[in-house]
Amino acid sequence: EDQVTQSPEALRLQEGESSSLNCSYTVSGLRGLFWYRQDPGKGPEFLFTLYSAGEEKEKERLKATLTKKESFLHITAPKPEDSATYLCAVQETTGNQFYFGTGTSLTVIP
Amino acid sequence: DAGVIQSPRHEVTEMGQEVTLRCKPISGHDYLFWYRQTMMRGLELLIYFNNNVPIDDSGMPEDRFSAKMPNASFSTLKIQPSEPRDSAVYFCASSFVVGGASGYTFGSGTRLTVV
Repeated sequence: EDQVTQSPEALRLQEGESSSLNCSYTVSGLRGLFWYRQDPGKGPEFLFTLYSAGEEKEKERLKATLTKKESFLHITAPKPEDSATYLCAVQETTGNQFYFGTGTSLTVIP
Repeated sequence: DAGVIQSPRHEVTEMGQEVTLRCKPISGHDYLFWYRQTMMRGLELLIYFNNNVPIDDSGMPEDRFSAKMPNASFSTLKIQPSEPRDSAVYFCASSFVVGGASGYTFGSGTRLTVV
C-alpha cells in the first residue's frame, strides 16, 4: 500500500497561471510532511516542513498547506524558473519511517 | 559549507563488477541517509546512520548491497556483484535529525549504469 501519492504526475502551466499540486498520504500517525524541489541532474532541495492540520508555510510564489489526509502546494503566478519536479515526503510517528512520493513534474511555459 | 559531496557523478560498469559510491556529509550532521531513485519507484531509503552507526538497513535490497560509515565525514555504499537492475541514481543526504524543521540536505547523486 502506497503511503504517499502525488498528483498530477505532470503539469504544464502558462507563465502566470496559478495551480496546485496534491500530496495524499496514509500513515498511522504523522510526525511531519515535507516538500522538496528537484531540478534535473540534482538532488532534492528542501522547501517546507508541515506538522499539523491547518498549518501553512510560504516561500516566494509557493504556499504549502496541510489537512489530515493531504497537502497542497499552491503555486501563484508561476515563472519558468519554477519548472522542476516537486516531491512530497511523510514521516511517521512510529519509528523513523520516511516515505517519498514519486513527484509532480511541473513545466511553466513563457 | 560545500554541502553533501558525492562521487563519482556518473558510473558505468559491467554486470558482475564491484561498484563503490562515496559520500561526504555536511560537517556536524549526525544523520546520513542513502537513497536510490528510479522512475518506477521514486526515492527509496536504503539505509541510514546515526553517529556513524547503522540504524535501519531494511531498505537494502539484498546482500549484494553494503554500506559503511567509518567516521563522521565519510560513507560508502558498495554493490558486489552489480546487476543491470541496480541502474539508478543514488543519493546521499545528511541532517541534524531525522526529518526535522530543516529537512535533509541531499548531494547531487551518482548515476549508476550497469550494462
